Amino acid sequence: DAEITQSPRHKITETGRQVTLACHQTWNHNNMFWYRQDLGHGLRLIHYSYGVQDTNKGEVSDGYSVSRSNTEDLPLTLESAASSQTSVYFCASSDGRGQTGELFFGEGSRLTVL
Amino acid sequence: GENVEQHPSTLSVQEGDSAVIKCTYSDSASNYFPWYKQELGKGPQLIIDIRSNVGEKKDQRIAVTLNKTAKHFSLHITETQPEDSAVYFCAATPYTGGFKTIFGAGTRLFVKA
Repeated sequence: DAEITQSPRHKITETGRQVTLACHQTWNHNNMFWYRQDLGHGLRLIHYSYGVQDTNKGEVSDGYSVSRSNTEDLPLTLESAASSQTSVYFCASSDGRGQTGELFFGEGSRLTVL
Repeated sequence: GENVEQHPSTLSVQEGDSAVIKCTYSDSASNYFPWYKQELGKGPQLIIDIRSNVGEKKDQRIAVTLNKTAKHFSLHITETQPEDSAVYFCAATPYTGGFKTIFGAGTRLFVKA
């Protein structure tokens, strides 16, 4: 079955370190997204991609970057981790060719920045 | 840009009762309104959605209503069961393909047996 997987599922790091969260999907979806989930804020969009070599900033993109070198992967990088980036991160994908707007989410990566 | 407000933040009901979660949105261009359910330790999963050309949609025990004039939409769960306990998110977007889906803050639903 097609799926979307995130790794690591849990990570603890220190302020100032670079961190990369991996996202891999086998749906062959063109669109991929990164969200962060914080209590009281729901899910907020960090970055998104329409396809290979395409990346776009979402509403909370400061301090984050992504790259899309193939259809399956959209890694999220925190260049210099800050305590404010402690959160649960969700990757999602969607089939941009259809009329549905359904997002398929991974199981999340919990990041703690000390 | 779009802003979605969701109420209540927490809802506790007795098993068998109904639960209603309400959302408002700000962008009149939004035309797709999905609802996601998130169980503990998992990612959100779509449970029902509605487009702006429809006022109501039902799928077994869940239904969604949309009032485009007032920019309100609501999720109704009837005959609640303990397995309905989860966090529910409403969302809105003017695009297809999942682009720029803006989520509400979420409602934690507790169904007491």
